[in-house]
Amino acid sequence: DTAVSQTPKYLVTQMGNDKSIKCEQNLGHDTMYWYKQDSKKFLKIMFSYNNKELIINETVPNRFSPKSPDKAHLNLHINSLELGDSAVYFCASSPRGRGANVLTFGAGSRLTVL
Amino acid sequence: AQTVTQSQPEMSVQEAETVTLSCTYDTSESDYYLFWYKQPPSRQMILVIRQEAYKQQNATENRFSVNFQKAAKSFSLKISDSQLGDAAMYFCAYRSAISQGAQKLVFGQGTRLTINP
Repeated sequence: DTAVSQTPKYLVTQMGNDKSIKCEQNLGHDTMYWYKQDSKKFLKIMFSYNNKELIINETVPNRFSPKSPDKAHLNLHINSLELGDSAVYFCASSPRGRGANVLTFGAGSRLTVL
Repeated sequence: AQTVTQSQPEMSVQEAETVTLSCTYDTSESDYYLFWYKQPPSRQMILVIRQEAYKQQNATENRFSVNFQKAAKSFSLKISDSQLGDAAMYFCAYRSAISQGAQKLVFGQGTRLTINP
């Protein structure tokens, strides 16, 4: 059983389109995240939700809108796609509380905008 | 804001030898966590090892160990007896201990490790 699953794994689309990436975790974690890995492999957090509540919202264009219908799901919707949105998007989850709780990552979704 | 720096974009090592990957970080906090993640060609991010800043003892996980120098803000990863399966991008990451909810990881730029047979 995959702990954190993302779909689709690959997405190729045209500029200006709207697309979504879905994420589900079966670990019972309270917190979920979206990270973006750019073409230089740099990873940066975009959003975090804790029990469906947005708690981290980094400086991300408002074309990106996360949605968490329940604590096991965190989807990422992107409007009016631009060339610079091409990247690998990672979903992750972690348990709540203090301590060096480890993030569990999904396998990533590679988005290519043409 | 915290920053993490990996000054070695690429490293290579002969199979069965030992290699050390460097990481430095900048923070004004005293309580935090440090991690090394591995990203093989499959793209999956895999935790290699973690260190709590309040612990003086360096973390060890089988062939992987760290050299944590808190005063110098240095956190290097040593891989002993390198194996072909160790070939990957390695990312150093920092997390503040202040936040009890979300785990905001700050990543370094990564080091690509090649294992030569």
